[in-house]
Amino acid sequence: KAGVTQTPRYLIKTRGQQVTLSCSPISGHRSVSWYQQTPGQGLQFLFEYFSETQRNKGNFPGRFSGRQFSNSRSEMNVSTLELGDSALYLCASSPRTGEGEQFFGPGTRLTVL
Amino acid sequence: DAKTTQPPSMDCAEGRAANLPCNHSTISGNEYVYWYRQIHSQGPQYIIHGLKNNETNEMASLIITEDRKSSTLILPHATLRDTAVYYCIVRVWGGNNRLAFGKGNQVVVIP
Repeated sequence: KAGVTQTPRYLIKTRGQQVTLSCSPISGHRSVSWYQQTPGQGLQFLFEYFSETQRNKGNFPGRFSGRQFSNSRSEMNVSTLELGDSALYLCASSPRTGEGEQFFGPGTRLTVL
Repeated sequence: DAKTTQPPSMDCAEGRAANLPCNHSTISGNEYVYWYRQIHSQGPQYIIHGLKNNETNEMASLIITEDRKSSTLILPHATLRDTAVYYCIVRVWGGNNRLAFGKGNQVVVIP
């Protein structure tokens, strides 16, 4: 069974632009969560989607948004990029919500110049 | 979710058992202990979880003290590929999938 895939793997943007990242969960998994990882703040939860509905949201500004499609694939969008948004963005999938066991993708490395 | 405390780093010898401690003195009765690890430049990997009984799988063993205020992850025969940051997370079962990662324990396996 294929693992969680994320595209693109690397991305370079400039301040003020917007970016969309994509995550394809493991087949059959209906929950997708997103995390941001930076050297200073570590791994921080962004949000979780289950059955196309946002289940929970972390403490991030409204510039960070996401959605989930009927096939469980998920996208996250960051608008008006700031230098501090440079990070590794990770998504994780699991069959159901409420699961502590999650499967992470390799991440998308975003650099904002 | 309860807060956890781990040493920031530790070394262990290749081929020996690695014992990774975690303190979670404020854990509630319905909170589980989860362990993840993150090898450099990869996404975190689930290792094991438990409530109050000791657990073992193909990767590791989890020993939880009787009062549940601390636990130890045991890697039975550490290899160089076990070098990673290990995270101990305490959370309730159900609700949502949010994981609260702390700073973790940078474990280096030395040849």
